[in-house]
Amino acid sequence: QVQLQESGPGLVRPSETLSLTCAVSGGSISSFYWSWIRQPPGKGLDWIGYIYYTGSSNYNPSLKSRVTISLDTSKNQFSLKLSSVTAADTAVYYCARQNSGFDFDAFDIWGQGTMVTVSS
Amino acid sequence: SSELTQDPAVSVALGQTVRITCQGDSLRNYYASWYQQKPGQAPILVIYAKNNRPSGIPDRFSDSSSGNTASLTITGAQAEDEADYYCNSRDSSGNPVVFGGGTKLTVL
Repeated sequence: QVQLQESGPGLVRPSETLSLTCAVSGGSISSFYWSWIRQPPGKGLDWIGYIYYTGSSNYNPSLKSRVTISLDTSKNQFSLKLSSVTAADTAVYYCARQNSGFDFDAFDIWGQGTMVTVSS
Repeated sequence: SSELTQDPAVSVALGQTVRITCQGDSLRNYYASWYQQKPGQAPILVIYAKNNRPSGIPDRFSDSSSGNTASLTITGAQAEDEADYYCNSRDSSGNPVVFGGGTKLTVL
């Protein structure tokens, strides 16, 4: 079955760029939408953005100016870059497969999540 | 602020039925999906696209929708159902994905 695994630094300095990668195993990345979602400590889920297997992407308007999601089909993985981070970006970051239809979106497979702390 | 509104907390007696609601204008046009999250774990999809359950999700979980409200119903709640529950859908102003604020379910 398809599994997702996030990787990247657990500590990022303020004003720097957060970079995470999600490795997809057990299936091809060349279908579906692939999303990043975050969860600040003790708070709810916040969608960051997605990339489609064709390379098209869409981002949360509140983060759009700072976010880039990219795809590497040769490595079967996708990545997140979030620039100019502050303490407010401290969160558990999840990658997830997004199953989308005409009138619904469902995140049916999730990575285990990785905690990223923004601190000097 | 989220465009999908959930009650912060709900409780249910063991074995009884509980309904967790999600309200938002976009639910008039789009289906909600529902997730269960236990402490320290990633969310799990329990319902999507009008009462579809992924493999392995018990049939005590069901969905109903009316107007601008989607409802996750747990019929015969079990101790292991104690968790946070989140809904998501599209929003009415173009944001492709929005989550509700979450509901903490306590099984008494």
